[in-house]
Amino acid sequence: SQTIHQWPATLVQPVGSPLSLECTVEGTSNPNLYWYRQAAGRGLQLLFYSVGIGQISSEVPQNLSASRPQDRQFILSSKKLLLSDSGFYLCAGGGGAAYEQYFGPGTRLTVT
Amino acid sequence: AQSVTQPDIHITVSEGASLELRCNYSYGATPYLFWYVQSPGQGLQLLLKYFSGDTLVQGIKGFEAEFKRSQSSFNLRKPSVHWSDAAEYFCAVGDNYGQNFVFGPGTRLSVLP
Repeated sequence: SQTIHQWPATLVQPVGSPLSLECTVEGTSNPNLYWYRQAAGRGLQLLFYSVGIGQISSEVPQNLSASRPQDRQFILSSKKLLLSDSGFYLCAGGGGAAYEQYFGPGTRLTVT
Repeated sequence: AQSVTQPDIHITVSEGASLELRCNYSYGATPYLFWYVQSPGQGLQLLLKYFSGDTLVQGIKGFEAEFKRSQSSFNLRKPSVHWSDAAEYFCAVGDNYGQNFVFGPGTRLSVLP
């Protein structure tokens, strides 16, 4: 199975500041990678997914962007954070014959 | 595109009681179905999955789920709930290509001592 690493665990950023969240995967190669956002008490919203290096699909128009510079690295970024960007961000990896997704521990982002 | 509904937003059960969490899906082909559990402030952990074969699948922590094609359902069950089972539970459906996952809104489970 895969192990998904995310950091930082928590982050407090002012409005208008940049953002960079990193996710790395171990235990597999060429995984599908996903970024989700979970607002307080809500379900998961898929933000981006990637099937390979440099291949990013966006599900929701927003203030965020994603990049995949290496096979097992997935980065979520923003140039200027908004208050509405606050939430719990989860990275997941999946793919292969089993298709299930494995989740990282998440990053709690608070924009003040 | 697939979709998932979880009719119960919040369920409260007493410790030792049985549990059933409902999940209904919509997908044109045979779905890949999953149940995940999330403790507060944590990532999601896979409980069990269904791809094909036996419609009753066993998972970790004593959970099981039954796939019923005629009802488009994949309900999660546990015969005796423990206080540590209190968490948020998500049902998910994946397409045949392993790229598109859709999660339900989740059911929050509270357990009374």
